[in-house]
Amino acid sequence: DTGVSQDPRHKITKRGQNVTFRCDPISEHNRLYWYRQTLGQGPEFLTYFQNEAQLEKSRLLSDRFSAERPKGSFSTLEIQRTEQGDSAMYLCASSLGGDTTEAFFGQGTRLTVV
Amino acid sequence: AQSVTQPDIHITVSEGASLELRCNYSYGATPYLFWYVQSPGQGLQLLLKYFSGDTLVQGIKGFEAEFKRSQSSFNLRKPSVHWSDAAEYFCAVVSGGSYIPTFGRGTSLIVHP
Repeated sequence: DTGVSQDPRHKITKRGQNVTFRCDPISEHNRLYWYRQTLGQGPEFLTYFQNEAQLEKSRLLSDRFSAERPKGSFSTLEIQRTEQGDSAMYLCASSLGGDTTEAFFGQGTRLTVV
Repeated sequence: AQSVTQPDIHITVSEGASLELRCNYSYGATPYLFWYVQSPGQGLQLLLKYFSGDTLVQGIKGFEAEFKRSQSSFNLRKPSVHWSDAAEYFCAVVSGGSYIPTFGRGTSLIVHP
């Protein structure tokens, strides 16, 4: 399978714990996006990378959220001190880059904070 | 800032009937436009895209969409809906140079037998 891969698919955590999600993009894609999706809403942009450079992070929801893409390949999204309001689907997408390329999405990580 | 409006939260159609899902965008120049579909608990799958040229674009699964600059719209259509089309549909826009897809809130399609 050469699509976008996310791990884990589901995560249940206690409030206050830290969680980390991984995304493996399509191999030749140099742009990688993170989105959050809550029930009944569209994906909400969080951050994106061009290769290893994080080009937009002002839309991360709080300073508890951080993302990395250390070698320009896979990426991780970390949420520290989770809150119940963090419960959502976290989606990763990748694209080739340039103006006219579409984003391909992974199946998402469903986070439940109890 | 770019934005996308999908005015219909839910649409109910009978199997075999035609379908049109509405999408309006807000952006000064010609944007790049997309329609995605999402089945429950899954990621988003691209149905079709518009970058330039012919304003009527064909996609997968028998879907098409028409870009109308004068109305700032990019409505999705299908002439005959199948029960398997029941899903959530999202319109997205990318403005030139931003590289960040912005999504509408989605339209939930319900198909009656």
